[in-house]
Amino acid sequence: SQQGEEDPQALSIQEGENATMNCSYKTSINNLQWYRQNSGRGLVHLILIRSNEREKHSGRLRVTLDTSKKSSSLLITASRAADTASYFCARRETSGSRLTFGEGTQLTVNP
Amino acid sequence: DVKVTQSSRYLVKRTGEKVFLECVQDMDHENMFWYRQDPGLGLRLIYFSYDVKMKEKGDIPEGYSVSREKKERFSLILESASTNQTSMYLCASSLPGGEKLFFGSGTQLSVL
Repeated sequence: SQQGEEDPQALSIQEGENATMNCSYKTSINNLQWYRQNSGRGLVHLILIRSNEREKHSGRLRVTLDTSKKSSSLLITASRAADTASYFCARRETSGSRLTFGEGTQLTVNP
Repeated sequence: DVKVTQSSRYLVKRTGEKVFLECVQDMDHENMFWYRQDPGLGLRLIYFSYDVKMKEKGDIPEGYSVSREKKERFSLILESASTNQTSMYLCASSLPGGEKLFFGSGTQLSVL
């Protein structure tokens, strides 16, 4: 694990259900970001939440951040088959300028 | 939209070969990054660059070098490829102080 964990590693749901993915980390952060990766492709930025924010929305995405618990969650509502992908959280730590990625959650949405 | 282009989607090389992975971005971004992605390990930073001719080591630089002669191009070099360098290689760029990364489509490298 690279100083953080994503949970679950894999998630399989039916179309229309909500999907929740969690990310935990160990250091102080400036912000936390979520990215999506379709199979065999590059990552695409989804949403960023800053350390002084608790919740953020973008379309069907909702991200929460609890800095006291050092954890974040990504909720995808009313999932679609096209949401099938891997989702990664990435932390920008206060101690440096790097972006550190988690190991990802593989989401499968069944039609 | 920002476009980050990696020269090859798939590459097969032999052990001991010198390998060049090329990455070009078209949005005048100062920052460029090379990651490798392996199952169960997520993305790991190899090298990054904040300016032309400038480079810094990431978390796993051993066995790799980089070149940034022009702002838009960031090359990853495997001096003598080994089988443990078989991986997906991802290039990314961002603005200075920029918070989000823009990724290329990746190069799946197999070293035989």
